[in-house]
Order: sequence, then C-alpha cells, then structure tokens
Amino acid sequence: EVQLLESGGGLLQPGGSLRLSCAASGFSFTSYDMGWVRQAPGKGLEWVSGISNSGVDTFYSDSVKGRFTISRDNSKNTLYLQMNSLTVEDTAVYYCAKDSPRSDGYFYFDNWGRGTLVTVSS
Amino acid sequence: DIQMTQSPSSLSASVGDRVTITCRASQSISKFLNWYQQKPGKAPNLLTTSASSLQSGVPSRFSGRGSGTDFTLTISSLQPEDFATYYCQQSYTTPITFGQGTRLEIK
Repeated sequence: EVQLLESGGGLLQPGGSLRLSCAASGFSFTSYDMGWVRQAPGKGLEWVSGISNSGVDTFYSDSVKGRFTISRDNSKNTLYLQMNSLTVEDTAVYYCAKDSPRSDGYFYFDNWGRGTLVTVSS
Repeated sequence: DIQMTQSPSSLSASVGDRVTITCRASQSISKFLNWYQQKPGKAPNLLTTSASSLQSGVPSRFSGRGSGTDFTLTISSLQPEDFATYYCQQSYTTPITFGQGTRLEIK
C-alpha cells in the first residue's frame, strides 16, 4: 500500500522559512516523479512543484519560483519542499503526491498524503 | 499558463440523477486532462486520466470525454458518496493547472 506522510508544517511569521518532508513507502520511490500541491483554506487545488524520479529535473509554479526548492533523497525515500520568504498567501494545506505511471505528458497524481498545514501570519 | 475553467461552479442534484461537469482549457491540451474528486477534509482522489481512462477502483458510473479544449466528466447515476468537489487538471505542460472546482451538493 502506498503511503505518503507529510511533516514539517506549522505557524510562522511572514518572511520566515520552513522545510516540509514527505516520507514515502509502499512503492519504488526511485521510479516515480513526485510533486507538491497546496490548498488554501476554503479554496481550490494549486500545483506548487514537481521533481523527476532522479531529482535532476525540477518544476515550479510561477507563484513560488525563486522562493521554494523541491528536492528528494532517494536513499531515504523522502521528498522535501524548502520554503523561503513566506507570505500570508502561502497559507495552505500542502499535499505530497506521487506521479502516476505515464509515457507522455506531465504530472498527474494517483496517490496523495493527508497534507500538512502551513500558516503564515503576523 | 494554461487556464482551466470548470462549469458550473456548483451544482445541486439528487441521488439517481445524471450529471455532467464541463472543463475548458484556454488552449489545446490534446488528451492530457485528468479529473479528481475531493471530499471535505480529505486529499483528492484521481478518477480519470488522459480524458477518458478510468482509474482502477473507480466505479463505472464515472466517465470522461473530450479532447483539445473541451472536456466533460459525467456521473451516470449519482450515489450518496458522490457528493463532493470535482477538479479537472491539465498535464499537457508545466505549470500544471487545475480548474477552480465544481461543488456537487445534494438537492
């Protein structure tokens, strides 16, 4: 059974930094691209970032480019999201998600974690 | 960026009804359209991929159609567990983008 367990969320002030982690199990982590998707309270889904299975290729939404960094440690089956220069607009539940097996196109996610809440407030 | 627009934003229906949700892309995305269901407090669940491929375990009352810019998700006979919010998502290019969601409520 695929399991994705996010951690690292919390309350912090604008301008602060936070690193989210996602511990993956139940599948061959090194074989799949991964991503982060967030959801602000009462709002819709917003893709944040994605990373190739090797970690070589990374992708970002315009809203986080230059502030967030996605990475992975395949030896630890763990995905990360380093978030810097946080603003109140970054307040959301952050989901870790596993990319689906695909031969073309880009990310779509067949397994999701439960999410971790990040609250940015003064 | 490719904009994804869903209609309607909300919908009231009864158990047993047939409902259709529409998703329109701001430019052609070929077949690269996926649908998710999300229930309150839960993570999204992938329903269909590549416009019309049903994910394993998803009931056959769900079906997707379309290509290019216009897509639909149809639920042939609503069940109580289908009342949720539905999102379309394009996987044609990055940045990946989602529709704003369609909230399906019990009439």
